[in-house]
Amino acid sequence: KAGVTQTPRYLIKTRGQQVTLSCSPISGHRSVSWYQQTPGQGLQFLFEYFSETQRNKGNFPGRFSGRQFSNSRSEMNVSTLELGDSALYLCASSYSRNSDPGSPLHFGNGTRLTVT
Amino acid sequence: DAKTTQPPSMDCAEGRAANLPCNHSTISGNEYVYWYRQIHSQGPQYIIHGLKNNETNEMASLIITEDRKSSTLILPHATLRDTAVYYCIVRVALFGGGKLIFGQGTELSVKP
Repeated sequence: KAGVTQTPRYLIKTRGQQVTLSCSPISGHRSVSWYQQTPGQGLQFLFEYFSETQRNKGNFPGRFSGRQFSNSRSEMNVSTLELGDSALYLCASSYSRNSDPGSPLHFGNGTRLTVT
Repeated sequence: DAKTTQPPSMDCAEGRAANLPCNHSTISGNEYVYWYRQIHSQGPQYIIHGLKNNETNEMASLIITEDRKSSTLILPHATLRDTAVYYCIVRVALFGGGKLIFGQGTELSVKP
């Protein structure tokens, strides 16, 4: 079974630009979550989508947004990039059946974004 | 979500068991203990999870104390490839919610 796929693997952008990152979850998984990892703040939750609806949101500014498509694929967008947005952005998917109390998240290998 | 406390770093000799402790004294009755690890430049890898019983899979064993205030992840025969940062997380897993709160984790170094 293919794992979580994130594209692109690396990205370099300039301050003020916007960027879109893509995530394809494991087949059959309906929940997709996004995380930001930086050396200073560690791994931080951005948001989660389930059945095309945002189900949960972390403490990030409105410049960070996302969406999920009917095939469960997800994209996240960061507008007006700042130097501090340089990070590893990770996507995770889970099966998320309502009757399953312990459905683990499975992570992709992330997109490394560098803002110059 | 309950908070976890882990030692920042540990060493282990190759071939020996690695025992990684985690304190979660404020855990609630509906919170599971999850363990993930992250090898440099990769995404976190799911290892194991449990509620109150001890659990074992092909990667590791999870021992949860009776009062559920702490747990230990055991890698029975550590190899150099087990060198990674290990995260202990408590999670309300109803409906498979996708929010995990990561701490700083334990950096495990497996040495030859």
